[in-house]
Amino acid sequence: SQTIHQWPATLVQPVGSPLSLECTVEGTSNPNLYWYRQAAGRGLQLLFYSVGIGQISSEVPQNLSASRPQDRQFILSSKKLLLSDSGFYLCAWEGPNSYEQYFGPGTRLTVT
Amino acid sequence: AQSVTQPDIHITVSEGASLELRCNYSYGATPYLFWYVQSPGQGLQLLLKYFSGDTLVQGIKGFEAEFKRSQSSFNLRKPSVHWSDAAEYFCAVGPSGGSYIPTFGRGTSLIVHP
Repeated sequence: SQTIHQWPATLVQPVGSPLSLECTVEGTSNPNLYWYRQAAGRGLQLLFYSVGIGQISSEVPQNLSASRPQDRQFILSSKKLLLSDSGFYLCAWEGPNSYEQYFGPGTRLTVT
Repeated sequence: AQSVTQPDIHITVSEGASLELRCNYSYGATPYLFWYVQSPGQGLQLLLKYFSGDTLVQGIKGFEAEFKRSQSSFNLRKPSVHWSDAAEYFCAVGPSGGSYIPTFGRGTSLIVHP
């Protein structure tokens, strides 16, 4: 069966520090991968998605970036965090031709 | 552009009561429709999905949803709510027109009173 992992689970970082969040998927190949953010009490905001290795599409222009170095690995990064980057970050995978998404457990990021 | 509306931000029900969460969508063709549930501090979990066929779909945890094309709705129902059903519920429409981007509603927070 397929599983999706995210780490770390929680992170507290100062303003201006770098960020790296990792997401890996097991049990499937060539998944579409997605990064979402939830601000407190808000809905899902799509940040990036990827349909293959090295293929990244950005939905929100900001100080975040994403990379997909391997088929089942998706990384969210920032060189300098802002207070507004605080939130709950969710990674999801979507199987080919299925459209349903499967979410990881999330990373709670607090920028201080 | 497609859109999903969940008109209720919060819904409060008593344990054992029936539940209906509303979802309306805007879409040019037959949509792929989903309901997800999110418990506090966790990721989203797929409850059920509609692609085609029978318009009443059954999901996990005793939930069901009915697709009504004439009303552009996909409401989620449960006949008897349990305290553990307290969570955030999201309705979503799958990608369309060559896009890879699904559209999620803003979510409905379900509060269950004992």
